[in-house]
Amino acid sequence: RKEVEQDPGPFNVPEGATVAFNCTYSNSASQSFFWYRQDCRKEPKLLMSVYSSGNEDGRFTAQLNRASQYISLLIRDSKLSDSATYLCVVTSNPYNQGGKLIFGQGTELSVKP
Amino acid sequence: EPEVTQTPSHQVTQMGQEVILRCVPISNHLYFYWYRQILGQKVEFLVSFYNNEISEKSEIFDDQFSVERPDGSNFTLKIRSTKLEDSAMYFCASSRVDSNQPQHFGDGTRLSIL
Repeated sequence: RKEVEQDPGPFNVPEGATVAFNCTYSNSASQSFFWYRQDCRKEPKLLMSVYSSGNEDGRFTAQLNRASQYISLLIRDSKLSDSATYLCVVTSNPYNQGGKLIFGQGTELSVKP
Repeated sequence: EPEVTQTPSHQVTQMGQEVILRCVPISNHLYFYWYRQILGQKVEFLVSFYNNEISEKSEIFDDQFSVERPDGSNFTLKIRSTKLEDSAMYFCASSRVDSNQPQHFGDGTRLSIL
């Protein structure tokens, strides 16, 4: 089983649509969870951290279910500029302990006019 | 905002040659990392470095690879006797010890082995 598994997509949606990405992780000892965004052949950039209580940042909402080892990202009112690959990332260390990041394969999103 | 910088942006090397990839982490960060991404594949952890020594390395990081912090600002990845399969994007990252911010990535070095 892959350490972090995502639907590869691509997701093709019209502007203004709501789109949801799912991710599962295999290591129950995972401590910290993130969504990164990667534009074509560029570096991963942090989109948001994911907290157990769920958290929202503008149009983006992240949820974590530790019991199911499941993470989600919801994007509302999608924009053309949201087109990118969304990476689900986990680490077995808390933020400040220098732990390696384990990346999923990424889910490609294409937002069309 | 401070950035992780990497040089060169693109390196083309003949198979069997040695290559050194360079990174300047963010100045007050103490953890440093190298990741790689083969075209079309996921980002993979190679090695982490703290307090002038390797703290963790992956199975990929074999004797062909080494890391060094030669001075107070640079962090390098050396690949000896490069192979075709070493062709990839190599990302350097750094993080603080006392912050809730996760790792910041440089914009990568694209390594092409011919």
